[in-house]
Amino acid sequence: GESVGLHLPTLSVQEGDNSIINCAYSNSASDYFIWYKQESGKGPQFIIDIRSNMDKRQGQRVTVLLNKTVKHLSLQIAATQPGDSAVYFCAENGGKAGGTSYGKLTFGQGTILTVHP
Amino acid sequence: DTEVTQTPKHLVMGMTNKKSLKCEQHMGHRAMYWYKQKAKKPPELMFVYSYEKLSINESVPSRFSPECPNSSLLNLHLHALQPEDSALYLCASSQEGRRQETQYFGPGTRLLVL
Repeated sequence: GESVGLHLPTLSVQEGDNSIINCAYSNSASDYFIWYKQESGKGPQFIIDIRSNMDKRQGQRVTVLLNKTVKHLSLQIAATQPGDSAVYFCAENGGKAGGTSYGKLTFGQGTILTVHP
Repeated sequence: DTEVTQTPKHLVMGMTNKKSLKCEQHMGHRAMYWYKQKAKKPPELMFVYSYEKLSINESVPSRFSPECPNSSLLNLHLHALQPEDSALYLCASSQEGRRQETQYFGPGTRLLVL
């Protein structure tokens, strides 16, 4: 079945380090990916997205890399800060293989990022 | 403004109660979603409304009844819930409910069923 998963459930870094969070997906028809940040007691917050016609996209302190060959994407956070501590989810929103046009998000299991001062 | 609001923030209810969760967005989006999130798990889709019509029901038990009065409002009516229904209920919205749309989430309603 379709799944979006993460390699590491937890990541602990020092303030100022760069963080890399990984995500694997299994649906080769996936063509749109989103990274969300979820702080304790809050809803998921949009960070950055990428479409399958791109292999890299940069935002403010964040970069998402997409490798369609191995069905893997990653989120890189530069100069990680204590405020970055949260659970990070990758999600795929491509609907079903075969072109059905509806917006169903399939989430990965999440990575807990802890940033130590 | 990418704000989705949800009320109440917390809700405690008995198994015989009837309650409703409310969600509102003012981004002009035409699609709204309900997700359920258990502790230490990712959100799971429950329902999708697009242009005020139910487009997806992920085989959710009938004790959960969604309602979309207009394109900016979404309700989830709860009746005869079970303790295992205790979770964080998240509302989200997007442009039209199609593929490749960013979904924006509200803060959620934390529900406890006793």
